[in-house]
Amino acid sequence: AQSVTQPDIHITVSEGASLELRCNYSYGATPYLFWYVQSPGQGLQLLLKYFSGDTLVQGIKGFEAEFKRSQSSFNLRKPSVHWSDAAEYFCAVGRSNDYKLSFGAGTTVTVRA
Amino acid sequence: EAGVVQSPRYKIIEKKQPVAFWCNPISGHNTLYWYLQNLGQGPELLIRYENEEAVDDSQLPKDRFSAERLKGVDSTLKIQPAELGDSAVYLCASSLVGGGPSEQFFGPGTRLTVL
Repeated sequence: AQSVTQPDIHITVSEGASLELRCNYSYGATPYLFWYVQSPGQGLQLLLKYFSGDTLVQGIKGFEAEFKRSQSSFNLRKPSVHWSDAAEYFCAVGRSNDYKLSFGAGTTVTVRA
Repeated sequence: EAGVVQSPRYKIIEKKQPVAFWCNPISGHNTLYWYLQNLGQGPELLIRYENEEAVDDSQLPKDRFSAERLKGVDSTLKIQPAELGDSAVYLCASSLVGGGPSEQFFGPGTRLTVL
């Protein structure tokens, strides 16, 4: 079965600074990878996804992620964070032959002025 | 386009009481999911519907949880009786196709507190 590890439980970053959130997955074949964001009291919103092709994926809100097969990683980045980026971020992995998504435990991002 | 609608948003009940959550998916989405999200954790799938059929309920605790999607549109998740450990956020999601890991659209969730 596939699984996801998000090593950082909580990250604090200054507004305007860069952000990188780590995600490592475990899956034998090519995974389908997702990053979701969850603001307080809200549902999960898809930031970006990787199915195949270019390993650098652009998403909404200025986020991007890079798939590195050799490291089993799919790290999320943003060059300059805004206060509105404070939220919880979830990495998820799916398999090509079924619908199931396995989510990581999430990383909480705090943005300080 | 309206998103996934869930109600109520918050529910506080005493243990051993029943509770029900309602979900209306995005129009045209044939696949509906119910997830459980414990504090500090990612969502975990409880049940998945393809139209009216529950195609995966392997993670649903059937002794106290039940779900239905009678007309293949909206869905209800019920807990009877509720236990303290059921306090969590219950998320509903929908997608267009269920045969692969297509994008799932999530509702805002129902936060359940069992006292």
